[in-house]
Amino acid sequence: DGGITQSPKYLFRKEGQNVTLSCEQNLNHDAMYWYRQDPGQGLRLIYYSQIVNDFQKGDIAEGYSVSREKKESFPLTVTSAQKNPTAFYLCASSIPMGRGSDEQFFGPGTRLTVL
Amino acid sequence: GENVEQHPSTLSVQEGDSAVIKCTYSDSASNYFPWYKQELGKRPQLIIDIRSNVGEKKDQRIAVTLNKTAKHFSLHITETQPEDSAVYFCAGYGGSQGNLIFGKGTKLSVKP
Repeated sequence: DGGITQSPKYLFRKEGQNVTLSCEQNLNHDAMYWYRQDPGQGLRLIYYSQIVNDFQKGDIAEGYSVSREKKESFPLTVTSAQKNPTAFYLCASSIPMGRGSDEQFFGPGTRLTVL
Repeated sequence: GENVEQHPSTLSVQEGDSAVIKCTYSDSASNYFPWYKQELGKRPQLIIDIRSNVGEKKDQRIAVTLNKTAKHFSLHITETQPEDSAVYFCAGYGGSQGNLIFGKGTKLSVKP
């Protein structure tokens, strides 16, 4: 299961705190994505980046921020403005959509719990 | 933008029976439709995908069919086994945005 990693596996946060989730890939993929997974809600896109130093908001970006300073890394910060952050967070990477193989490869996920 | 709906949300079958999960999409420009399997506590993994220039694709016990006119596609699993028990997600990619749009998932339970 190498290729794309996330850390930590479990994360506990007190209300009012910002936390940063790590996502690293060595697949040489240009595109990276962050999804939030809640029971019965499927995978909802938070942010995505198709190239270094560029990223776009997904469907549920409020209360989250990202950076893409390196091709291999796409960290997600969950800010105190996110009202209900308890969820399972999945990072994915791919060749940019529409340029060949469109498969997205997922990391193992981070389960965030707000105490 | 694209909207993908998936049915049913839960599906229970006896081992050896077939299972069918259906998805509809809204964007007629969508051209790529993958299916992901997610076992409990694990990451989603691609199991099969289909492009809009193909009507059906098979890989051993799984198959996907696509009806472009009706804008729906389906996952078919034959001779189900207990290890097929998982959550299955369909998705669509329309080309007008740089990301996949996922359905809400189907929890498949295969009873021995």
